[in-house]
Amino acid sequence: TQLLEQSPQFLSIQEGENLTVYCNSSSVFSSLQWYRQEPGEGPVLLVTVVTGGEVKKLKRLTFQFGDARKDSSLHITAAQPGDTGLYLCALGGGVTGGGADGLTFGKGTHLIIQP
Amino acid sequence: KAGVTQTPRYLIKTRGQQVTLSCSPISGHRSVSWYQQTPGQGLQFLFEYFSETQRNKGNFPGRFSGRQFSNSRSEMNVSTLELGDSALYLCASSLDGGGTEAFFGQGTRLTVV
Repeated sequence: TQLLEQSPQFLSIQEGENLTVYCNSSSVFSSLQWYRQEPGEGPVLLVTVVTGGEVKKLKRLTFQFGDARKDSSLHITAAQPGDTGLYLCALGGGVTGGGADGLTFGKGTHLIIQP
Repeated sequence: KAGVTQTPRYLIKTRGQQVTLSCSPISGHRSVSWYQQTPGQGLQFLFEYFSETQRNKGNFPGRFSGRQFSNSRSEMNVSTLELGDSALYLCASSLDGGGTEAFFGQGTRLTVV
């Protein structure tokens, strides 16, 4: 069972459009991180959300943590080709139940912004 | 300050061989974690080293091992390579580890033929 479900898996839209991607879990989590990974590079941390209902903004990116702390969303306004990449959400340590306390990642949303 | 450096960037090995990958963390970071990324499974946690000790381990076979040196640099070793080990191996450094905010290197692309 995948601990973190991300949707959609793939998304291709035109420059200037808005979009939302989602990260959901069946369990409550204490904090969630969002990363963006570009081809040939490692993931880069965008934001960490901690408090239920929290909203954080990073230029045209808006991150929201669900009130029940079981889901999160990332909304991009007026998408640009530079936003293209793999968007990953990740849970912090101690949540896998198997003694492995590294970050647990969802499989990500592959986003393509066409000019 | 310098970011996380992984070497080599690309590697091609034959089945049955062994390989060693290297990671230099951000200066002052004591935790180094390793991840395997494949198209099918995504990013999966291998292990974490903190102050030269393996602190956490993911669900990978014993062929995957690692170590950390006193300067926090880390190496990862995979023995008896299998075709399924082909992946992007990513190293992440953080101040204290344990799933806190991580800074990733560019990765080593390993291809097993």
